[in-house]
Amino acid sequence: NAGVTQTPKFQVLKTGQSMTLQCAQDMNHEYMSWYRQDPGMGLRLIHYSVGAGITDQGEVPNGYNVSRSTTEDFPLRLLSAAPSQTSVYFCASSYSGLSYEQYFGPGTRLTVT
Amino acid sequence: AQKITQTQPGMFVQEKEAVTLDCTYDTSDQSYGLFWYKQPSSGEMIFLIYQGSYDEQNATEGRYSLNFQKARKSANLVISASQLGDSAMYFCAMRNTGNQFYFGTGTSLTVIP
Repeated sequence: NAGVTQTPKFQVLKTGQSMTLQCAQDMNHEYMSWYRQDPGMGLRLIHYSVGAGITDQGEVPNGYNVSRSTTEDFPLRLLSAAPSQTSVYFCASSYSGLSYEQYFGPGTRLTVT
Repeated sequence: AQKITQTQPGMFVQEKEAVTLDCTYDTSDQSYGLFWYKQPSSGEMIFLIYQGSYDEQNATEGRYSLNFQKARKSANLVISASQLGDSAMYFCAMRNTGNQFYFGTGTSLTVIP
């Protein structure tokens, strides 16, 4: 049982490049989400999904796209990277319902130059 | 609008003493879940404790307890008998009926030997 996996662990992009951060979970969780963590800002929700084929925007969705074609996978796409997107990105999953905690992946440290 | 407020950017506690980390939240939902997570310097997010909005008793998990005061909209984390390994960032989070999680900006706890 691998839990939540994220790739890559580190990435450096040039402004304007695009890339996809991968996230997968093997716990059959309906709910998956992406956060970015910036110093002094806590974790901010980018996008989330309550099941395959269903996605919705969080607090800071601009510049990011997601899709959920399977229960297991929830990739995050940066369309045209900007220095403001330099951050640590976490993927998380949980069962749907108020009482369920989220399980987090190890994070991806992204630098945009 | 900010949903979770953690007003203590940094806290210090003597080893073996108890410490309280403050968290207040803002929601118009009647049903919600409150969570605390620990983030050590290695970066992973570790779930500590959960409290439901309708739970009448304060949650406890080992050395962690949650001091839940619904009328004041506060959900403070109490760590008893602090250990050196408790030094970390601590995040308070709320899950609402819309399935969105909101995190506070975190409190950095340092345990002094």
